[in-house]
Amino acid sequence: AQSVTQLDSQVPVFEEAPVELRCNYSSSVSVYLFWYVQYPNQGLQLLLKYLSGSTLVKGINGFEAEFNKSQTSFHLRKPSVHISDTAEYFCAVSLYSGGGADGLTFGKGTHLIIQP
Amino acid sequence: DTGVSQDPRHKITKRGQNVTFRCDPISEHNRLYWYRQTLGQGPEFLTYFQNEAQLEKSRLLSDRFSAERPKGSFSTLEIQRTEQGDSAMYLCASSVGIGNNEKLFFGSGTQLSVL
Repeated sequence: AQSVTQLDSQVPVFEEAPVELRCNYSSSVSVYLFWYVQYPNQGLQLLLKYLSGSTLVKGINGFEAEFNKSQTSFHLRKPSVHISDTAEYFCAVSLYSGGGADGLTFGKGTHLIIQP
Repeated sequence: DTGVSQDPRHKITKRGQNVTFRCDPISEHNRLYWYRQTLGQGPEFLTYFQNEAQLEKSRLLSDRFSAERPKGSFSTLEIQRTEQGDSAMYLCASSVGIGNNEKLFFGSGTQLSVL
């Protein structure tokens, strides 16, 4: 079975400051890694995913994540945040590259709060 | 195309009542998923359809839960004899493509409150 740990339930950051949201995973087999964002009153939206190749993955809205196999981590970063980045961010793993089939295993989420 | 649509947005019911939610996926998306999200937790996989066939069911889907996708288009999720522990956001997602090309699109969810 797979599991995901998001170490911070809430991260407050000042606008235009950099941010890192931490994610660690556990799995006995190879998995694919995802970050989703959930804006208030909206559905989850895929930010980025790691399938293979370069360990640095670039996503939408200026976010990027780095896969570290030895540390079983997939931390999400943005060099300069904006008020509009305020949202809940979920790290997820799947046995399937599309995240489909028997489903994604999500972490509990990190609430990113951008302060002016 | 307006994305994945879920109805209703909110549902308040009394314990023991039956409820039914509807999900309309993006047109021509052949896969449809149901997830449940409780407060302070990430979404948890419930079940998955490929066209009208229900291919996977999580152990979270007790006998009181049933999902259908009769014509391979919209889907319904019914909960019988609701319990307070069923209170959650129920999310639907649809996808098209396979393997690396598959991408899930989530709806805004149905928030269920069982009193």
